[in-house]
Amino acid sequence: QVQLQESGPGLVKPSETLSLTCFVSGDSMDSYFWSWIRQSPGKGLEWLGYIYYNGKTDYNPSFKTRVTISVDMFKTQFSLRLSSVTAADTAVYYCARHPGVQYFDLWGRGTLVTVSS
Amino acid sequence: EIVLTQSPGTLSLSPGERATLSCRASQSLNSAYLAWYQQKPGQAPRLLIYGASTRATGIPDRFSGSGSGTDFTLTITRLEPEDFAVYYCQHYVTSPMYTFGQGTKLEIK
Repeated sequence: QVQLQESGPGLVKPSETLSLTCFVSGDSMDSYFWSWIRQSPGKGLEWLGYIYYNGKTDYNPSFKTRVTISVDMFKTQFSLRLSSVTAADTAVYYCARHPGVQYFDLWGRGTLVTVSS
Repeated sequence: EIVLTQSPGTLSLSPGERATLSCRASQSLNSAYLAWYQQKPGQAPRLLIYGASTRATGIPDRFSGSGSGTDFTLTITRLEPEDFAVYYCQHYVTSPMYTFGQGTKLEIK
């Protein structure tokens, strides 16, 4: 059974870089897209970007200057970096898989990241 | 940017009743790119419907999706206790960009 698990610091200081990793277990990452999505009370669900298994990335234009997604196929994990964070970046961050571009068929349990000094 | 507006914000029903949830888009959508998710407290969203009307693997047939253009509907016939949750619609465009509605909370009456 394929599972996704997010990992990373739960507290990040303003202006620093938020870094999270999603560990994929139970299957390879081949032929899938892998996304980061966040959820906050104020903004709801927001898609940040995805990486294809071949390394191609695309990002939400609203975050394009601050977000980087990378993949390590051998370790079956992919990562998110969001720079210059503010309190507005406080959210639950999810990693998710999609078999095609249209929808997300598997999600991690999510991890809460708080931006605060 | 396409905006998805879900209604009602909260729907209060009893087990056994029928639920009808609406997702309205600010412009006409490709229905192939419209999906619905269920989210329970403390859990990640779960895919219910994709392509506007195709149930995801393992989703009971009391869940159905319909619609086209700007108006889409998720229907749950014969509500079960485990169906009370928040429901989101989601759309993809080839920018790429994924947009979610603000959600409908289905609560027990």
